[in-house]
Amino acid sequence: EPEVTQTPSHQVTQMGQEVILRCVPISNHLYFYWYRQILGQKVEFLVSFYNNEISEKSEIFDDQFSVERPDGSNFTLKIRSTKLEDSAMYFCASSEGIGSAGKNIQYFGAGTRLSVL
Amino acid sequence: AQRVTQPEKLLSVFKGAPVELKCNYSYSGSPELFWYVQYSRQRLQLLLRHISRESIKGFTADLNKGETSFHLKKPFAQEEDSAMYYCALTSYSSASKIIFGSGTRLSIRP
Repeated sequence: EPEVTQTPSHQVTQMGQEVILRCVPISNHLYFYWYRQILGQKVEFLVSFYNNEISEKSEIFDDQFSVERPDGSNFTLKIRSTKLEDSAMYFCASSEGIGSAGKNIQYFGAGTRLSVL
Repeated sequence: AQRVTQPEKLLSVFKGAPVELKCNYSYSGSPELFWYVQYSRQRLQLLLRHISRESIKGFTADLNKGETSFHLKKPFAQEEDSAMYYCALTSYSSASKIIFGSGTRLSIRP
């Protein structure tokens, strides 16, 4: 069964450094998402992406964050200058489409644990 | 405000006992409701969605629009049901975000 793949599984970085989290969505999916979960808190939406542009973003997704689909398979989340409070589990998800009939079901990767020291 | 509330952080029941994980939501419009499950060391995966009205692994959930609830139920708990359960909602329109509840950890005692 196809899966969303995320690398690395754990990323440790120093405060102020740039990090890039990588995701390979399911191959026929067109909509891509990033979520994060700070330890002990809810899974929170960050951004959705379709047709090479951001569809929606949350208040969390400020100028420090950016997303990109650099090629036909990867979907990346970049944090330009990491802060301690960016430490969290970051989940990538993808869906085939939107609307009903099941195309809007989002499939999640296993996550990347980001630790900012 | 769009919100999903799961009042129980932890629910512990004996094997064979009935299970009910509570979920209430607040949303202006007609959302789609889901239950996602995360087993130990595994990824978030969809358990069921209100629109399909299925029973998955013995679990069912009925959308009650009057009470804005989507409680998850299973008549007889099994040890393999131990996991983190998240109630969630999204809208049908656009590339829409999922709004998650805070999750309930279900622990099945032998």
